[in-house]
Amino acid sequence: NAGVTQTPKFRILKIGQSMTLQCTQDMNHNYMYWYRQDPGMGLKLIYYSVGAGITDKGEVPNGYNVSRSTTEDFPLRLELAAPSQTSVYFCASSYRGRADYGYTFGSGTRLTVV
Amino acid sequence: QQQVKQSPQSLIVQKGGISIINCAYENTAFDYFPWYQQFPGKGPALLIAIRPDVSEKKEGRFTISFNKSAKQFSLHIMDSQPGDSATYFCAAGQGGSEKLVFGKGTKLTVNP
Repeated sequence: NAGVTQTPKFRILKIGQSMTLQCTQDMNHNYMYWYRQDPGMGLKLIYYSVGAGITDKGEVPNGYNVSRSTTEDFPLRLELAAPSQTSVYFCASSYRGRADYGYTFGSGTRLTVV
Repeated sequence: QQQVKQSPQSLIVQKGGISIINCAYENTAFDYFPWYQQFPGKGPALLIAIRPDVSEKKEGRFTISFNKSAKQFSLHIMDSQPGDSATYFCAAGQGGSEKLVFGKGTKLTVNP
């Protein structure tokens, strides 16, 4: 089992460019999440999904979009990249949304916007 | 508004010592309190978790202590080892909720 796979691992974007961060899980988890991690700020929820076709905003959704067409994939789209979006992005998944099953995180995408 | 406050921000401990990280929460509806361990360049990984119906949970050298009346919980790492050097995050959630709220993290360094 690969768990949660994120690509790319690193990316440098210019201001105003767009990109999609890919996330795939093979555990048949129905809940998926996108977090961003900034130094000393912990993990902030961007968007989450409780199943294919269903997404909702988290704490910091501005500047991002998501889609969930399949159970396995949950891509995060950045439109018109800004320096404030420089961060490490983590995708996570869990089963049935029960918090006590714990989240499985991917290894992250380090994004720099210049 | 931060719902889970974690301290200290950084911690240095000698090998064999006890590492203690504290968290406090505000929302009394939280009923699940996990701790995550993150090594550099990796994603966080679930370390240990507790529900408020018990005051303590131990797994190997890692222990969670929970004080429901004070709305506080803490992670104790006994006999700390250099391999425990990582960033630790506490979190809180509601059973069945789709979201966890994370503390800001504690960077633990265990000196040999």
